[in-house]
Amino acid sequence: EAGVTQSPTHLIKTRGQQATLRCSPISGHTSVYWYQQALGLGLQFLLWYDEGEERNRGNFPPRFSGRQFPNYSSELNVNALELEDSALYLCASSAGLAVTAQETQYFGPGTRLLVL
Amino acid sequence: GESVGLHLPTLSVQEGDNSIINCAYSNSASDYFIWYKQESGKGPQFIIDIRSNMDKRQGQRVTVLLNKTVKHLSLQIAATQPGDSAVYFCAEGDLEYGNKLVFGAGTILRVKS
Repeated sequence: EAGVTQSPTHLIKTRGQQATLRCSPISGHTSVYWYQQALGLGLQFLLWYDEGEERNRGNFPPRFSGRQFPNYSSELNVNALELEDSALYLCASSAGLAVTAQETQYFGPGTRLLVL
Repeated sequence: GESVGLHLPTLSVQEGDNSIINCAYSNSASDYFIWYKQESGKGPQFIIDIRSNMDKRQGQRVTVLLNKTVKHLSLQIAATQPGDSAVYFCAEGDLEYGNKLVFGAGTILRVKS
């Protein structure tokens, strides 16, 4: 069974540009999460989507946005890129909207974004 | 804000020895805890998780211990192997905060042959 996949693996942009990162969850998973892992830092929660809706959002500015498609894949968009946006962006998926218990999140390999 | 912290940023062990990686958490309402392993250039890999109604859970060569009284989590790796060398992250989740995970800074585990 295929795991979480992300594309592209690497992305180089300049300040002020926009970046689009893509994620395909594990088959059967409906929840997708985005995390930012800056160099030397831990993972910071960005966004959570389930069934096409944004369910939760981390402490990031509005220029970080995303969406989830009917096939449960997801895009993360970062507008007006800044140098400090350079990081590894990780996508994770889980089985679905947890009501009574947290669902295990499985991660993809990440997209490394470099802003020059 | 609430955060999860690790006591030791780097742990070096001899191959074959047991490893213990520790983690302190601050949100007493957290009800789910998970350990991930991240190798260079890869995404975090699920190792083991535990819910707050348990104090111990075992997997293959790994054991997670949860002490809610002192808000402490540990990962024990038996017979550590060179392939265990990686960064290990603990994370906590609180259903009230909508399924997001709060990660610690990570501990580097180096296995010496």
